[in-house]
Amino acid sequence: SQTIHQWPATLVQPVGSPLSLECTVEGTSNPNLYWYRQAAGRGLQLLFYSVGIGQISSEVPQNLSASRPQDRQFILSSKKLLLSDSGFYLCAWRLAGNEQFFGPGTRLTVL
Amino acid sequence: SQELEQSPQSLIVQEGKNLTINCTSSKTLYGLYWYKQKYGEGLIFLMMLQKGGEEKSHEKITAKLDEKKQQSSLHITASQPSHAGIYLCGARTTGYSSASKIIFGSGTRLSIRP
Repeated sequence: SQTIHQWPATLVQPVGSPLSLECTVEGTSNPNLYWYRQAAGRGLQLLFYSVGIGQISSEVPQNLSASRPQDRQFILSSKKLLLSDSGFYLCAWRLAGNEQFFGPGTRLTVL
Repeated sequence: SQELEQSPQSLIVQEGKNLTINCTSSKTLYGLYWYKQKYGEGLIFLMMLQKGGEEKSHEKITAKLDEKKQQSSLHITASQPSHAGIYLCGARTTGYSSASKIIFGSGTRLSIRP
């Protein structure tokens, strides 16, 4: 069966520090991968998605970037965090036409 | 861009009562997804609807898609405390499913009063 992992589960970082969040999927091949952010009291905002290794599409201009170095690995990064980057980051995977499944999320607090 | 509106934003119901949550799109729905989220946790997939008029049920939860009206509803019968949480609807942005994205509404927070 397929599983999706996110690491770390929680993170507290100072403003201006770098960021690296990791998402890995097991039990499937060539999935579409997605990064979402959920700010407090708000819905999910799609940040990035990838249909294959090295292929990244950005949805909104921002302080973040994404990379897909391997088929089942998706990384969210930043060189310098802003206060506004705080939120709950969710990774998701989907095969074409099918259901989309989410990871457990990473709660990021930027101080 | 396509937007999804959910109503109500929050809902408090007495245990045992029925309830309905609505999701409306400003554009054509190519696929509609319902998820449940507990605070601080990931999203749990409930149901996916793809065809106009489609209806699916799982335990006490029923979801319907009215493609002509660009609307979906989620109905819970005889609500229980375990139904409490945030319900989110998501919709695929295009019909080409391999590259399409899913965008989400802002969610409906459901509380069950014992």
